Amino acid sequence: GAVVSQHPSWVICKSGTSVKIECRSLDFQATTMFWYRQFPKQSLMLMATSNEGSKATYEQGVEKDKFLINHASLTLSTLTVTSAHPEDSSFYICSAKGRPGTLNYEQYFGPGTRLTVT
Amino acid sequence: GESVGLHLPTLSVQEGDNSIINCAYSNSASDYFIWYKQESGKGPQFIIDIRSNMDKRQGQRVTVLLNKTVKHLSLQIAATQPGDSAVYFCAENWYGGSQGNLIFGKGTKLSVKP
Repeated sequence: GAVVSQHPSWVICKSGTSVKIECRSLDFQATTMFWYRQFPKQSLMLMATSNEGSKATYEQGVEKDKFLINHASLTLSTLTVTSAHPEDSSFYICSAKGRPGTLNYEQYFGPGTRLTVT
Repeated sequence: GESVGLHLPTLSVQEGDNSIINCAYSNSASDYFIWYKQESGKGPQFIIDIRSNMDKRQGQRVTVLLNKTVKHLSLQIAATQPGDSAVYFCAENWYGGSQGNLIFGKGTKLSVKP
């Protein structure tokens, strides 16, 4: 089956610094990647959707200048949390979707990245 | 906006019993539904899906039922095992919407007592 990886699996950073999270589709080409945020005991909330080679589309309330998303290739998307603050501490999950009409057109989720901002 | 919700936030069952997790959705245009299992500290794991042209689909020990009349979705787990303990989310997808995004429900925590 399709595999999506994330790196790092967990990260601790100091307030005011930036941190980058990578999302990779290991065995298929992901034309679309999604980034979700999940606070403890809550559901997944979609942050943004990115198509390879295009600018990401952000959900309402998500600051695009704070959460920088790059989807430069068909297998890699990155989420950079800039000037992180403790309230950004969360579980960040990506998912990837292949080309329409292919077997990988469904969303496949990564294992998540736990971000703690001190 | 419209959202997917759940009736039961927590469910505790005895090992070996059957579990039923419910979900209400509000977007009548949604045409694809998925159940995910999420264990602590991990990403969602696909369990089973169903399209709106069906009302029932069975997998291994799991069955999903869809009632479009009342916009209700349920996940039935047969012979629940300790390994089934997790949070279960339903998600809806409307292929007519932007990017075919998934909208997740609030989740139900399933605890299986040995």
